Amino acid sequence: EAQVTQNPRYLITVTGKKLTVTCSQNMNHEYMSWYRQDPGLGLRQIYYSMNVEVTDKGDVPEGYKVSRKEKRNFPLILESPSPNQTSLYFCASSFYSGVFANTGELFFGEGSRLTVL
Amino acid sequence: GIQVEQSPPDLILQEGANSTLRCNFSDSVNNLQWFHQNPWGQLINLFYIPSGTKQNGRLSATTVATERYSLLYISSSQTTDSGVYFCAIGGATNKLIFGTGTLLAVQP
Repeated sequence: EAQVTQNPRYLITVTGKKLTVTCSQNMNHEYMSWYRQDPGLGLRQIYYSMNVEVTDKGDVPEGYKVSRKEKRNFPLILESPSPNQTSLYFCASSFYSGVFANTGELFFGEGSRLTVL
Repeated sequence: GIQVEQSPPDLILQEGANSTLRCNFSDSVNNLQWFHQNPWGQLINLFYIPSGTKQNGRLSATTVATERYSLLYISSSQTTDSGVYFCAIGGATNKLIFGTGTLLAVQP
């Protein structure tokens, strides 16, 4: 089954304790992206990657890191989480054609609900 | 950058009613998608529709790119249709811009 898989789905942690949210897709998509969703602020892009070893900042990258060592995986790293990073996080992936990465149909993972105390 | 506006912001329906959700955008686009976020938070693809018309069961969508709008039609609504409906558009950047959504509540 074609899917984007995120783990963990739920996590409660404390300020400053490094954590990683994994994301894996089995559709051979070039493009992968992380979003956070907060009440009243909608979906905001954190980072995206157009292919292996190619990543770029989205709208809200502060406090996050990413890496794309393999095509299927795109982990999101919070080096020193803070309470303002409490949010619902989504990973997404797509094919794309042409110059821009936003041309393909985007598929989302099931979301990871993170609480930082 | 491209602006996306969805209407109405919220909608309450009785089961069995029909509805039309609208997405307006401010510039030409190379991508337009409709998503449904269910009450458990999952984002589900409904349509990839940068232009034209598509149908999937009780749902259909039409995008008129030249007039810069897209419509999502829900017929014979069911309680399971409740949630937030987002349109997302892609223009001349690497980003997909999301609208603020329409919150739909279908009452039995």
